[in-house]
Amino acid sequence: QKEVEQNSGPLSVPEGAIASLNCTYSDRGSQSFFWYRQYSGKSPELIMFIYSNGDKEDGRFTAQLNKASQYVSLLIRDSQPSDSATYLCADINDYKLSFGAGTTVTVRA
Amino acid sequence: NAGVTQTPKFQVLKTGQSMTLQCAQDMNHNSMYWYRQDPGMGLRLIYYSASEGTTDKGEVPNGYNVSRLNKREFSLRLESAAPSQTSVYFCASMEASGLGYTFGSGTRLTVV
Repeated sequence: QKEVEQNSGPLSVPEGAIASLNCTYSDRGSQSFFWYRQYSGKSPELIMFIYSNGDKEDGRFTAQLNKASQYVSLLIRDSQPSDSATYLCADINDYKLSFGAGTTVTVRA
Repeated sequence: NAGVTQTPKFQVLKTGQSMTLQCAQDMNHNSMYWYRQDPGMGLRLIYYSASEGTTDKGEVPNGYNVSRLNKREFSLRLESAAPSQTSVYFCASMEASGLGYTFGSGTRLTVV
């Protein structure tokens, strides 16, 4: 059974702090991973993808992949109230994405 | 460039009624997908179409049918709606590179 698990939220962080989100996956064959952000009542939007071990940075977001330990993480630096959303982790197999249940992040002003 | 367009945005059905959710993409993507999203359960794949003329079941296909009408359009049909099908439905498409989905805006369906 292929599964993507995310640490249960909600996660509350003060403005300006680092928000750390974690995701584990069970399929060792998974090669690429995605982070989506979903605002309440809206559709998910892709914020990052990663397929190589190590870190990938894009602005205030850093994705980290460790294939040996089968986890993916997302760091949000200098968190802003506009980062308050649910973050979904996903892996891809046979051109199909499997999503975790999501972690809801609230940034306190 | 509209991306992925879903209709309707909201719908209320009575148990046993049928309806079709429409989805169209203008990005020339080969692959299209239907997901449902329920609180605490994330996005679950109902059906997908890897290319025009093909459709396959996903994780939760029971009670649904799909049609890949052409490369642009992929519809989801509920033949006899049940309260358990109350959910938010998302259509998505993906380009051949496999670098993630583009989602439609969703359909919020309530079955009473």
